[in-house]
Amino acid sequence: EDQVTQSPEALRLQEGESSSLNCSYTVSGLRGLFWYRQDPGKGPEFLFTLYSAGEEKEKERLKATLTKKESFLHITAPKPEDSATYLCAVQALRNTGKLIFGQGTTLQVKP
Amino acid sequence: NAGVTQTPKFQVLKTGQSMTLQCAQDMNHEYMSWYRQDPGMGLRLIHYSVGAGITDQGEVPNGYNVSRSTTEDFPLRLLSAAPSQTSVYFCASRGLAGRETDTQYFGPGTRLTVL
Repeated sequence: EDQVTQSPEALRLQEGESSSLNCSYTVSGLRGLFWYRQDPGKGPEFLFTLYSAGEEKEKERLKATLTKKESFLHITAPKPEDSATYLCAVQALRNTGKLIFGQGTTLQVKP
Repeated sequence: NAGVTQTPKFQVLKTGQSMTLQCAQDMNHEYMSWYRQDPGMGLRLIHYSVGAGITDQGEVPNGYNVSRSTTEDFPLRLLSAAPSQTSVYFCASRGLAGRETDTQYFGPGTRLTVL
């Protein structure tokens, strides 16, 4: 069964304190792994897509990496505006379009 | 481009009432889907469509109907609302042409409460 587990559930950081969010997955044939950001009361906002182990993508203070079993979202020197829930999802090769989501990690960055 | 739009933003229903959640996209995407988001459960797929006239069930389809008469619109119908359908509903769309269209774009959501 395809499954995605994110950890930790919640993370509190001081501004400037770097950390990583984890996304562990099991899927029979990975087509892609997706990271989204979700602000309270809003829809998920696309951040990254990763396709193969060893791939990395960066955007401002965020960097996503992928191995065969997990993905990390590294946050370098976070700012309060990075506070949000970060969602990880996988798409299997056999399921066109269907995303399996983790429960998310809620990040709070204090000034 | 407006992207993916959803109406209404908020809705309160009584048990047994029916209603339709509207979703529209202006990106000419073939694939559209409906998810529900509940605390501690993540986003779960309700129904999806790979083109006009084609729909299929997702993970949690019971109590919901969909149809796809145009590329742009994908309404979700609640036939007889139940308190268990209290949730936030998101519509999403993507293209089907290849990796460059893999990204699913989400609407702003509809928050539904069933009393």
